[in-house]
Amino acid sequence: DAKTTQPNSMESNEEEPVHLPCNHSTISGTDYIHWYRQLPSQGPEYVIHGLTSNVNNRMASLAIAEDRKSSTLILHRATLRDAAVYYCIPLQTGANNLFFGTGTRLTVIP
Amino acid sequence: DSGVTQTPKHLITATGQRVTLRCSPRSGDLSVYWYQQSLDQGLQFLIQYYNGEERAKGNILERFSAQQFPDLHSELNLSSLELGDSALYFCASSLAGKYNEQFFGPGTRLTVL
Repeated sequence: DAKTTQPNSMESNEEEPVHLPCNHSTISGTDYIHWYRQLPSQGPEYVIHGLTSNVNNRMASLAIAEDRKSSTLILHRATLRDAAVYYCIPLQTGANNLFFGTGTRLTVIP
Repeated sequence: DSGVTQTPKHLITATGQRVTLRCSPRSGDLSVYWYQQSLDQGLQFLIQYYNGEERAKGNILERFSAQQFPDLHSELNLSSLELGDSALYFCASSLAGKYNEQFFGPGTRLTVL
């Protein structure tokens, strides 16, 4: 499994954009990059995933570097509800389980 | 609400005891996963079942076992409990398929005294 490196914590002001980086330099060519988040006192929640192209959904955008060794999760306007631990997880197609690292704890300041 | 339900929400028991945690997956999901979250180990994958069959094993202790029933609900059995087994236990479910998005339940908090 590819190893990931994420900052332990980040802060953002409410309604500002947030860029959460992840390094996954040992990722293989067929690994999708998944992001999950865990809000306080809740189970993890799927955010977004991608392979090579940048991806957008209603929650966030995912920017993947051309060499795929890093990616950035973008929250366009942080809200207080976005305060959570964000996990970047490389995952092989059809792989069965998620290996959560330590993630990035995002604090949103009102 | 992810559609995954777990019972009980909280469980307090003593060392040496045995407990059973229950999970009902989202309607239509065939895969069920169990994860353990403790302060020192973080979130760790324990085991996966797909349509009643064990599909993958992670860091699951021999004292722990799981099964998935014909109605697709799953149970995680923890026996000979130790203080270190105190943790949050999450169940997740997913459709079979290539993107493997998992939907997590609210968790069961186990306290072993």
